[in-house]
Formats: sequence, structure tokens, C-alpha cells
Amino acid sequence: DTGVSQDPRHKITKRGQNVTFRCDPISEHNRLYWYRQTLGQGPEFLTYFQNEAQLEKSRLLSDRFSAERPKGSFSTLEIQRTEQGDSAMYLCASSGRTASTDTQYFGPGTRLTVL
Amino acid sequence: GESVGLHLPTLSVQEGDNSIINCAYSNSASDYFIWYKQESGKGPQFIIDIRSNMDKRQGQRVTVLLNKTVKHLSLQIAATQPGDSAVYFCAETWASGSRLTFGEGTQLTVNP
Repeated sequence: DTGVSQDPRHKITKRGQNVTFRCDPISEHNRLYWYRQTLGQGPEFLTYFQNEAQLEKSRLLSDRFSAERPKGSFSTLEIQRTEQGDSAMYLCASSGRTASTDTQYFGPGTRLTVL
Repeated sequence: GESVGLHLPTLSVQEGDNSIINCAYSNSASDYFIWYKQESGKGPQFIIDIRSNMDKRQGQRVTVLLNKTVKHLSLQIAATQPGDSAVYFCAETWASGSRLTFGEGTQLTVNP
């Protein structure tokens, strides 16, 4: 399978705990995006990497959230001191950097439930 | 603020009928539009895209129409099948590589 992969697919945690999600993009893609989706809504942008550089962050990305892409390949999204409002589907997408390859393809998502 | 929205939250059709899902966008600077299909518990799946220099693009059983004058986008699905049942989102962006802004989605139900 050469699509975007995410791990874990589901995570249940207690309020106040830290969680970390991983995203592996399509291998030839150098752009990687994180989105959050709550029930019944469309995905909302969180942050974006081009290679290892984090180029844009949404105001939704509070200081409890941090994303990294240290080697320009896989990325991690960490949420510290989780709150019930963090419960959502966290989606990763990747794309190339040319006009013919800039379509964003999404992974299956990580469903986070904060108790 | 800028937003992308859908006219109808739900659409129910009979198998074999054609479906039309509509989307309005408000950012006149948007130059790239994508339709995604999302099944329950899965990530959005790319269906078809269109750039602002075009007004129509066709794929396999799907057609996207773009009317920049009224900032309207539509997705037409021919001979709708039960497997087409899902939530459909339109998304827009204004520059290559930039964030996508999604609408709220339309739930398409295909009745056998």
C-alpha cells in the first residue's frame, strides 16, 4: 500500500494525559498536513510541513499541540495535557510540490477519545 | 471570514439516478477546488479536482462544474450506485500547497 498511513487508528486516553500520533506520507511527497475533524464537520487545518520545515500553523494549534517532521519523512503530532475538547479525528494528508502533484491525499485518520 | 459551504446537508437518490451536489465558496482568490468522498470512519478520498482556469472537468462517472461568476461548484455523479453513499466535501485553496478549507459536507444516500 503506497498511500498515507497513520498510527494508531484509535486512541482512548484520560484527560490530562499526553498522546502522540504518527503519520507516514506517500513516499515521493514532500508536503505534509495535519487536520482535525469533529463529528459532522469538515476537516480543519492545523499545520503544514514542507520537507522538515513547519511553514504554517493554525490558531487552532494551541501551545499544548506540537508537530514535528525531523527528517522530512514521517511526522508526529503530540497533544499534551489532553482535554475532552480534543476528542476528534486527526487526519494527515500529503502532496507533492508542483502544480501537477499538489493534490492532498488523506490517510485513514486517528480517532482520539478523551475521557 | 472566508468560507466554503454546501447548500444541502442531505441528499437521497434512487440507484441509477444522477446526483448533483452543490457548493458555494466565498474566497474569490481561490484557484483550486477539490471534491472528496468520506465514508464513515475513513479519511477523505479524492474524487476530482478543477482549477480556476477551467469551468468543467470530467472523470469516470463524475463531473465537476465551476462557475466563478457566482462562486459556485457542483459535483455530478452519473448512474449513482449504493457504493456512492457517503459524505461529500468540497474544498478550496488559493495557492499550491496551501491549506484546504472545507465545507460542512453533504450526506448522499443511495436507495436500492
